[in-house]
Amino acid sequence: EAQVTQNPRYLITVTGKKLTVTCSQNMNHEYMSWYRQDPGLGLRQIYYSMNVEVTDKGDVPEGYKVSRKEKRNFPLILESPSPNQTSLYFCASSLQGHQPQHFGDGTRLSIL
Amino acid sequence: RKEVEQDPGPFNVPEGATVAFNCTYSNSASQSFFWYRQDCRKEPKLLMSVYSSGNEDGRFTAQLNRASQYISLLIRDSKLSDSATYLCVVESRSGTYKYIFGTGTRLKVLA
Repeated sequence: EAQVTQNPRYLITVTGKKLTVTCSQNMNHEYMSWYRQDPGLGLRQIYYSMNVEVTDKGDVPEGYKVSRKEKRNFPLILESPSPNQTSLYFCASSLQGHQPQHFGDGTRLSIL
Repeated sequence: RKEVEQDPGPFNVPEGATVAFNCTYSNSASQSFFWYRQDCRKEPKLLMSVYSSGNEDGRFTAQLNRASQYISLLIRDSKLSDSATYLCVVESRSGTYKYIFGTGTRLKVLA
């Protein structure tokens, strides 16, 4: 089944404790992206990747890192999480950058 | 001015009604446009792409007006299952593929 898989689905953690949210897609998509969704602000793009080893900042990259060492994986890293990063996070992918994206189920992250 | 703007609603309509949403965008260089629907904080799901000539998929019709920089979504014969938040998405092509989402329009179809 074609899908975008994020893990974990839910995480409660504390300020400053490094965490990684994984994202994997099995559709051989070139384009992958991370979004956060907050009430009243909609989805905002954090980082995106056009292909392996190619990443670029979205609208809200501060406090996040990403890597794209393999085509299928695009992890989101929070080196020193803070409470303002509490949010609902979505990973998405598309065959190419100009095509519609498929979204993962989301990761609900709470940072205390 | 926001790059992509939508009326947040909610739009409360009876079953069988026709409802239309508009979405304005500010970047005249934008090349790709989409409508997604999102149910109660679940993942967004593609409803339809929006093409320059307009396109239709069953009860749904999407239109693009480049001169006035807006896209629209028309839903005919609304069903209870159409209740959701509709997100307009605009891709700003500035050498890379960056997506801007509207904050969404809530639709509630009433029995």
